[in-house]
Amino acid sequence: EAQVTQNPRYLITVTGKKLTVTCSQNMNHEYMSWYRQDPGLGLRQIYYSMNVEVTDKGDVPEGYKVSRKEKRNFPLILESPSPNQTSLYFCASSFLGTGNTEAFFGQGTRLTVV
Amino acid sequence: LAKTTQPISMDSYEGQEVNITCSHNNIATNDYITWYQQFPSQGPRFIIQGYKTKVTNEVASLFIPADRKSSTLSLPRVSLSDTAVYYCLVGENSGGYNKLIFGAGTRLAVHP
Repeated sequence: EAQVTQNPRYLITVTGKKLTVTCSQNMNHEYMSWYRQDPGLGLRQIYYSMNVEVTDKGDVPEGYKVSRKEKRNFPLILESPSPNQTSLYFCASSFLGTGNTEAFFGQGTRLTVV
Repeated sequence: LAKTTQPISMDSYEGQEVNITCSHNNIATNDYITWYQQFPSQGPRFIIQGYKTKVTNEVASLFIPADRKSSTLSLPRVSLSDTAVYYCLVGENSGGYNKLIFGAGTRLAVHP
C-alpha cells in the first residue's frame, strides 16, 4: 500500500532534549516536505527536499534541521526543542513535475514540549 | 503568489450537494487549482486538481470558469463522513514543482 509513515505519532519531551521524527515513503517520490499545523495558523512548511542530498528551507525553518540521505526517508530533527515547537507535524511526499499538486501526507506527529 | 479566499465554514445535511467556492483573483498562467480534505488530527488528503473547465472524479467535481479567477468544489450527496476541512490551493510553480500553500480552509459540517 502506498503510504507515508511518520513515527512517533505522539511525543512528549522536555525543553532542550534533542529529538528526531522519522518520515518514510514507499512511492519513490523525489519531493518530500515537513509541515507544522497550529490552531489559527494553518499548515506551514518547515523544510523541503527535491531529491537526495537536496534540501531547502520552507516558511518556518528556525529551530529545525532535516537530512535526505536516502530517497525514501526524510527525518525532522529538533536539536533543542522549545515549548513554541509544540505542534502537530506532517510529512508529505510527491512526484516532481510541472502541474503536479498531488501530495501524500503522513498521519501526523503530535509533539508536546514542556 | 496567488492567494485564495474561501468561506470559513459551511453547514449541510446528509444527501445534499455541497458547493464550496474559492476565489483566486491573481492566479498565474501556470498555476493549477487543487483541493484537499482534512479530518481532525489527520494529514490532508488530495481530492481533485484542475486547470480549466470541469474535472470530475469518483469523489468530487471541480468547476473552473474561463477566467480562472475562482473555482467551485462540488461534493454530491454528502454524508456525515464528509465533515472535514476543505482547502483550496493554487499552485506556485517553482522549478517544476508546485509548492503547496494552505490557507485557513472551509470547515464543512454535515448534519443528520
